[in-house]
Amino acid sequence: DAGVIQSPRHEVTEMGQEVTLRCKPISGHDYLFWYRQTMMRGLELLIYFNNNVPIDDSGMPEDRFSAKMPNASFSTLKIQPSEPRDSAVYFCASSKAGTSPANEQFFGPGTRLTVL
Amino acid sequence: SQQGEEDPQALSIQEGENATMNCSYKTSINNLQWYRQNSGRGLVHLILIRSNEREKHSGRLRVTLDTSKKSSSLLITASRAADTASYFCATDDVGNDMRFGAGTRLTVKP
Repeated sequence: DAGVIQSPRHEVTEMGQEVTLRCKPISGHDYLFWYRQTMMRGLELLIYFNNNVPIDDSGMPEDRFSAKMPNASFSTLKIQPSEPRDSAVYFCASSKAGTSPANEQFFGPGTRLTVL
Repeated sequence: SQQGEEDPQALSIQEGENATMNCSYKTSINNLQWYRQNSGRGLVHLILIRSNEREKHSGRLRVTLDTSKKSSSLLITASRAADTASYFCATDDVGNDMRFGAGTRLTVKP
């Protein structure tokens, strides 16, 4: 398996533009997570899905952020409109559920977003 | 918000020495995990210890968990330059929310 795939790896955009980050989880994994990592705030869980259904989106910072998982092999995180404070590395991770959703998570390489 | 808090924030040692990192947390947990992140990369899972376990080993890694003190430690023995990375603890609390700490940046000098 190729692991969790994220695209693009780097994104530079201007304030106000829409940004879409993409993730392909590992085949057969039930859970998909979106994280944001910054120096100031560390690694933050934004949202996670179980079997394509959003379970907990309490970490989504505001309405400008939205995430979808139309099928088991694809998820998007969209920011519209983007702001400079959204600059961060965004990670997608997936896991196969055992007794809880927080079993070993496999992380993608991340998307480094810079909003000018 | 962050649950686990790693200590120290940064650690610099010589190759061959042991590295110990600590993690404290606040709520009851189901399990605690340690991850490693090399610069510019995603996190890699190292080890998971369940709340009813006290110690676990994996190669040169030794993890302890003290639920009474709400703390865990990660020991890397006979460190190598390739161990240079940031190490994060992640707690899976009873509400099934997973939270990562701020991480410990380990530098192993050759």
